This record gives sequence, C-alpha cells and structure tokens, in this order.
Amino acid sequence: EVQLAESGGGLVQPGGALRLSCAASGFSLMNYAMRWVRQAPGKGLQCVSAFNERDGSAYYADSVKGRFTVSRDNSKNTLYLQMNSLRAEDTAVYYCVRRMGPSYYYALDVWGHGTTVAVSS
Amino acid sequence: DIQMTQSPSSLSASVGDRVTITCRASQAISRNLNWFQQKPRKAPKLLIYAASTLQNGVPSRFSGSGSGTDFTLIISGLQPEDSATYYCQQSFMTPPTFGLGTNLEIK
Repeated sequence: EVQLAESGGGLVQPGGALRLSCAASGFSLMNYAMRWVRQAPGKGLQCVSAFNERDGSAYYADSVKGRFTVSRDNSKNTLYLQMNSLRAEDTAVYYCVRRMGPSYYYALDVWGHGTTVAVSS
Repeated sequence: DIQMTQSPSSLSASVGDRVTITCRASQAISRNLNWFQQKPRKAPKLLIYAASTLQNGVPSRFSGSGSGTDFTLIISGLQPEDSATYYCQQSFMTPPTFGLGTNLEIK
C-alpha cells in the first residue's frame, strides 16, 4: 500500500528548530516529486516547499525561504523538512504530499496524516 | 504565484440536493485543476484531477468541469458524509496553490 507517514512535530519556542520526517512506503521517493503543505489552525492550505526528484532542486515559499530546507535520504526512502528560526506564524499541521506525473496533470494524490508544529513561548 | 478564487466560502444544503462550487484561476491553467475534500482533523483527499477525472474510489455523484480559468465541482445527490470543506488547487505551475475552501454543511 502506498503511504506517507510524517513525524517530528512538537512544541518549540520561537527561534527554535525542528526536523520533520516523511517516511514513504509502497513507492520510491526517487520517482516522485514531493511537496510539504501546511495548514495553520482554522486556515487553508499552503505549499511551503516543493522538491524535484530528478535533480534535488527545491522551491520554498517566501515566508520560509532561508529558514526551511528540504532533503531526501534515498536509503531510508524518507523526505525531511529542516525548520530553523521558527516563528509563531509557522504553527500548523504539516503534510507531506506526493505529486503525480504529467499523465495525471501533476495532481497531489497521496497525503500523509500530518504532523503538528506549535511555536510558542 | 497563481491565485485561486473559490466560491461560495460556505453553503448549506439538504440530503439529495445538487450543489455547485466554482473556482477561478488568476491565469489560464489548461486542465491542471484538482479538487480535494477535507474532513475535520483529517488530511485532504483527492477527489478529482485534471479538472474532470474522478480519482479511484470516489463516488460518481462527484463531477468536475472546466478549463482555462473557470472550473466547477458538482455534487449530485448530496449524502450526509459529504459534509466537509472542499478545496480547488492548480497544478499548472509551481508552487501549487489552493483556493480558500468551501465549507459544505448538510442540513
């Protein structure tokens, strides 16, 4: 079964850091582009990072650029999101999401259950 | 970034009703438009991709249409389990962007 499982969320003070993990099963991360999408409490969905599977290049939303870094460990089939200098406005549920290929118009078809990040003193 | 404008922001309907949700992109996105359903405390679920293709396992009462900038999600024969928030999302360009959502309440 194709699945994504996030972990690593928690309560952190402003200025702190967290590393989120996204373990993939049932498929190889080397074959799919991936996204990190967050949802602040009571709010909509925002893509904070997009990872290109072919060359490892990444997009970051302006709000997280310079603070967040996405990476992948092929041996563990796991995607990571390193989050530094965290702010209160980073408080959200973070989802790891798989992007389908061009035949499927690049839809986001598999979502993890999400991991909650709370930034507060 | 491409802006997605979704309407209405909320609606209330009865079991058996037909409801329509619209989504407009700030620029042409061909058919790279997807619809998601999200229930409280759950991850979004892909319902429709490529504007009109039903994802596996999604009931046929859900349908989508449109291309370019204007898109529609229709739920025919509303069921109690359709109570949720629905989001449109463009996959034409990175970053993927979402509408603000439509909160559907079943009376």
